[in-house]
Amino acid sequence: AQTVTQSQPEMSVQEAETVTLSCTYDTSESDYYLFWYKQPPSRQMILVIRQEAYKQQNATENRFSVNFQKAAKSFSLKISDSQLGDAAMYFCACQRMDSNYQLIWGAGTKLIIKP
Amino acid sequence: GAVVSQHPSRVICKSGTSVKIECRSLDFQATTMFWYRQFPKKSLMLMATSNEGSKATYEQGVEKDKFLINHASLTLSTLTVTSAHPEDSSFYICSARYRKGEQYFGPGTRLTVT
Repeated sequence: AQTVTQSQPEMSVQEAETVTLSCTYDTSESDYYLFWYKQPPSRQMILVIRQEAYKQQNATENRFSVNFQKAAKSFSLKISDSQLGDAAMYFCACQRMDSNYQLIWGAGTKLIIKP
Repeated sequence: GAVVSQHPSRVICKSGTSVKIECRSLDFQATTMFWYRQFPKKSLMLMATSNEGSKATYEQGVEKDKFLINHASLTLSTLTVTSAHPEDSSFYICSARYRKGEQYFGPGTRLTVT
């Protein structure tokens, strides 16, 4: 069974600084996707970044980048130049390819931005 | 990205009544939609997977007779909470699979059963 683990229930960072959120996963599949979603207080789930497992190059989206270590099954999210609007719950997820592409979710990390 | 709407955003109903939540993909066709339940400060819990034109697949522990799911078209899935009780109060979120590797979420529905 696939599992996703986020070991940091809460993280805080000073505005304009850089923060890294950790995520590890376990899967026996060779083809899968990994995601980071952001859930602000509005509770709308917003896709932050996506990584295809067969791509070795780490995905980046503006201030957001990932460190994908396939052998270690690690998928951390780095947020550079943190902004107040980055404050949210961040969820790591792994997409199964064998069952309608279900997402397996981590427990989430609450990110606090200090002004 | 693609847009998914969910209606209503908030609903209050009395115990014993039923309530329907709609999930629509506005600018794409979704053969698969998912329904989640989220408790405060917790992650998303998958309730069921809905495929257009076929019966939904429910996760273990989810009562299919209580949470009726219908996916009658490629753009609409509905979740009906039947004979609602206060313990059904929660935040319900739907998502729609756009293509491999892309899933978009509705804004959620807060259900309060009094």
